[in-house]
Amino acid sequence: SYELTQPPSVSVSPGQTARITCSGDALPKKYPYWYQQKSGQAPVLVIYEDNKRPSGIPERFSGSSSGTMATLTVSGAQVEDEADYYCYSTDSSGDWVFGGGTKLTVL
Amino acid sequence: QVQLVQSGAEVKKPGASVKVSCKASGYTFTNYAMNWVRQAPGQRLEWVGWINAGNGYTRYSQKFQGRVTMTRDTSAGTAYMKLSTLRSEDTAVYYCARDTNYYASSGFYDYWGQGTLVTVSS
Repeated sequence: SYELTQPPSVSVSPGQTARITCSGDALPKKYPYWYQQKSGQAPVLVIYEDNKRPSGIPERFSGSSSGTMATLTVSGAQVEDEADYYCYSTDSSGDWVFGGGTKLTVL
Repeated sequence: QVQLVQSGAEVKKPGASVKVSCKASGYTFTNYAMNWVRQAPGQRLEWVGWINAGNGYTRYSQKFQGRVTMTRDTSAGTAYMKLSTLRSEDTAVYYCARDTNYYASSGFYDYWGQGTLVTVSS
C-alpha cells in the first residue's frame, strides 16, 4: 500500500524556521496537503494543493514540492505552532493517505 | 456558522457494528461531500471514505471496503458511518469532515466534527 513518510519529530527555538518533509512516490503527480493537529483537537488544514494557504492561516506557513518530496515550512515558528503535522495525498487508486505525522516542538 | 456535531462515545464488543452520526448545520447540506477520518490512540490519521451528500455516491478506502457503509439523511442534514464486524483495532476517534468539493474527496476539509470515540472491547 502507498506510504507517505515523515520524520517523527522536529524541534526548533521560537523564531526559528521549522521544515517538515514528506516523501511519497506519487507526489510528483498528486498534490500534497498539510494538516495541523493540536493535542485533543480535530485537525486543521494549513496548506492545500502544495503551496496554498486557506483563509485565516498565518503567512508563516508555506509549502513546496520537488519531485517525490513535499516540505511544510514554518518561518519564525511560535510556541502556539507546537502540534502534530500530517501530510496528506492520494495514491494511484484514488485512496487518500496520511503520513505518519511529525511532532513539532517549539521551545 | 457551520457546525458538525457528532454522536456520543460508543463501547462495542468484537464482532458488533457501530453507527456514528454527524449532524450538519449552517450551510446547505446537499452541496458538499462529507469525509470520515479516524485516529486510533497515539496513531496517525486514517481516511475511511466519503459520501456525496447530494446524490449519495460513496467511495470507501480499500482497507474498509466491505465493512463500512456511509449514508445520509438529507431532510435531517445528517451523515452516518456504519462500521461492521468490529475488532479491537477499530478502537479510535472517528471524525466527520466537510469537503469543499461536491463531486469528489478533494483533500481540502474545512470543517470537522468534534470526534466520536468508539471503543471495541470484550
